[in-house]
Amino acid sequence: DAGVIQSPRHEVTEMGQEVTLRCKPISGHDYLFWYRQTMMQGLELLVYFNNKAVMDDSGMPKDRFSAKMPNASFSTLKIQPSEPRDSAVYFCASSRLVNEQFFGPGTRLTVL
Amino acid sequence: QKEVEQDPGPLSVPEGAIVSLNCTYSNSAFQYFMWYRQYSRKGPELLMYTYSSGNKEDGRFTAQVDKSSKYISLFIRDSQPSDSATYLCAMTSSTGFQKLVFGTGTRLLVSP
Repeated sequence: DAGVIQSPRHEVTEMGQEVTLRCKPISGHDYLFWYRQTMMQGLELLVYFNNKAVMDDSGMPKDRFSAKMPNASFSTLKIQPSEPRDSAVYFCASSRLVNEQFFGPGTRLTVL
Repeated sequence: QKEVEQDPGPLSVPEGAIVSLNCTYSNSAFQYFMWYRQYSRKGPELLMYTYSSGNKEDGRFTAQVDKSSKYISLFIRDSQPSDSATYLCAMTSSTGFQKLVFGTGTRLLVSP
């Protein structure tokens, strides 16, 4: 298995632009998670899905962030408009019904 | 105050040393405890997983949970330069089974 796949790996954009991050989970995994990692806050859960349905998005700033999972093998995290404080590494992770989340390599986002 | 506290380090040790990494937490509902290892510019990977109190050993790694003190530890015996990474503790309650709360991570440097 290729593991969790994320794209792009790096993204540099200007404040106010729309950013779309993509994730392909491991086949057969029912759960998909989006995290943000910064030096100050560490790893924060933004949103997670179970069988494509949002289970918890309490960690996601809803005025500018949106997450979708149109099918079992694809998810997007969109930021519009982006701000410098959104600069971070964004991780996607997936799991089955056990407490072992497999993380992707991350997308390093820089908002100028 | 964060639910999970972890010393950021860095912790520098010589090869062969015994390493002790620790986390404290405030939520008494936490039942499942994990340690993730994260190499530079990579996603976290699960190292150890324990339920409730007690010890668990896997090769050179031992995870210890003391629920009465709300304190968990990861011990690494015979540390190797390849153990140099950031170690994140994570935990969850039985009700929020898939929603992990992470520590900010401790950076470990093992010198040859």
